[in-house]
Amino acid sequence: TQLLEQSPQFLSIQEGENLTVYCNSSSVFSSLQWYRQEPGEGPVLLVTVVTGGEVKKLKRLTFQFGDARKDSSLHITAAQTGDTGLYLCAGAGGSNYKLTFGKGTLLTVNP
Amino acid sequence: EPEVTQTPSHQVTQMGQEVILRCVPISNHLYFYWYRQILGQKVEFLVSFYNNEISEKSEIFDDQFSVERPDGSNFTLKIRSTKLEDSAMYFCASKLGTGGIELFFGEGSRLTVL
Repeated sequence: TQLLEQSPQFLSIQEGENLTVYCNSSSVFSSLQWYRQEPGEGPVLLVTVVTGGEVKKLKRLTFQFGDARKDSSLHITAAQTGDTGLYLCAGAGGSNYKLTFGKGTLLTVNP
Repeated sequence: EPEVTQTPSHQVTQMGQEVILRCVPISNHLYFYWYRQILGQKVEFLVSFYNNEISEKSEIFDDQFSVERPDGSNFTLKIRSTKLEDSAMYFCASKLGTGGIELFFGEGSRLTVL
């Protein structure tokens, strides 16, 4: 069974601070996707990383896929209150591209 | 922008009743999925569907569950006899095709079983 561990589970910071959240597994994934989920809504895709060591930037968000394709990180620079939400990582594997989700990191950015 | 749409957004039902959740995947997508999220827990895979048949299902997806693509656009999840523990958000997702690597999720259907 593939498992994804996300840390920290909760993170509360002040606006303007930088933060990093982590997604770790003992399994290798063919790709890893980061989603953001608002309460009562579906996950919204932020980025997909495919190649080991890959780094993708989305404005103030930087995503990295580990060399071994087992872990990933999301770094947010100068966090804004609008970044508040649940960040989920999900690893893809198998011929059906089934996603295994982590429990998520609940980020609160305070003004 | 194309999106996955789900109906109803919220359904309340009595234990033992049948429920059908509906999804319209993105039009040119070929792989379809149902996931669920029990309140406070992680998103869990239920079933994947490709080429008009189930391609993979989880242990959660027992005989009470079924999926169907009755026409060219809808993808449905049926729960035959709901249980209290079926209360959850159910998310439909779709993927482009064999070369596609990204799943796009709908807004979800909240099912409350009383």
